[in-house]
Formats: sequence, structure tokens, C-alpha cells
Amino acid sequence: QQQVRQSPQSLTVWEGETAILNCSYEDSTFNYFPWYQQFPGEGPALLISISSVSDKKEDGRFTIFFNKREKKLSLHITDSQPGDSATYFCAASAAGGNNKLTFGQGTVLSVIP
Amino acid sequence: DPKIIQKPKYLVAVTGSEKILICEQYLGHNAMYWYRQSAKKPLEFMFSYSYQKLMDNQTASSRFQPQSSKKNHLDLQITALKPDDSATYFCASSQTSQNTLYFGAGTRLSVL
Repeated sequence: QQQVRQSPQSLTVWEGETAILNCSYEDSTFNYFPWYQQFPGEGPALLISISSVSDKKEDGRFTIFFNKREKKLSLHITDSQPGDSATYFCAASAAGGNNKLTFGQGTVLSVIP
Repeated sequence: DPKIIQKPKYLVAVTGSEKILICEQYLGHNAMYWYRQSAKKPLEFMFSYSYQKLMDNQTASSRFQPQSSKKNHLDLQITALKPDDSATYFCASSQTSQNTLYFGAGTRLSVL
């Protein structure tokens, strides 16, 4: 059973729009949720992260909204730019997890100029 | 300049052979990891090392053996290769096992 699920699988938005990427998880021991951005031919790079004690984390145009009760989170990318076109992975780990991250399948974002 | 170097970038192997994937990090980190990304599965954790000691192993098969000859090296030896081993293997590192994870660019392995 997949522990971390992402939707949609792919998303296309126009430049300047807000892209919303969704993530849900099963394991209630998960308490750290990083989002990674991956461009073709490169490794994933940390974009933004949140811990379960917060319900919102903002970093420039990127915001995570977290709902612990529903075990859901979302990544909002405002004023989307063509350079944001990439695959975005939601991941999760438990306390003391030693960076053993459980990843979702990813959302492929395309931003059309 | 990339701070986590993985070699080779692409690797083609025949079924039953053995290969070694190389990883070196120049971030001064104390923890290193291997993750695998295949077409059919999400990116998945394989191993974690801290100060050159194995911390966690989520790989069921003994065909996968990490090798840490130096603090900033964590190679991955794969024996008796199978087509199902075809995937991109990512090396990663972090300052400690509780800090941000940084990934290399990966080695894409194809087993024929």
C-alpha cells in the first residue's frame, strides 16, 4: 500500500496562475514533510518543508498547507513561471527517521508561457 | 560544480553481471544514503550510513551491498543483476541523519 499519495499526476497551468499540488499520507507517525523539485536529468532538490506542528509554511511563491487531522497537505505555487516546470515530490518521515523518506509518485507540472 | 558526484551517469549491464556505482560527496556531510527511482515505483529508500556505519537497510536483497571506504564515499555494489534492477540510483547526503537531504544527479542503470 502506497504510504504517500500525490495528485494530480500531471498539471498544466498558464504563467502567472497558481498551481496546487496535493499530497496525502497514511502513517500517523509521519511528522516531517519535505517537498522536492526535480528537473530532467537531475536529482531531487529540497524546495520547502513543514513539520506536523505547523499548519502553514511559506517561502516566497511556495506555500505548504498542512491538515494533520485529515492527513493531507498541499503545495501552492503562486505566480507560476515557466522555470517552475518540473516534477514535484511530496515526501514524509517519522521522528528519528534518520532521513528515511517515503516519497509520493510525483506531480509533473508544466507552466505554459 | 556538483557537490555530490555520481559515476557513471549511465550504465548498461547484462543479466547476471556485477556493477559498482560510485558516489562521492564534497559537502563535508557525515551521513550518506542510497535511494532508487524506477519507472514503476516512487523514489525509495535503500540504505543510510552515518559516520561510515550502516544505520538502516531497507533493501531485501543481499545482492545490494554499500561500501564506504572513506567518510565522503558510499559506493553501491550490485551483484547478479536482473532486469528489474533497472532504475536510476541516487546517492544523497546530509550533515547528520536529521538534517536536509541533498541528492546527486543519479546513475541510470539498464540491465538487459
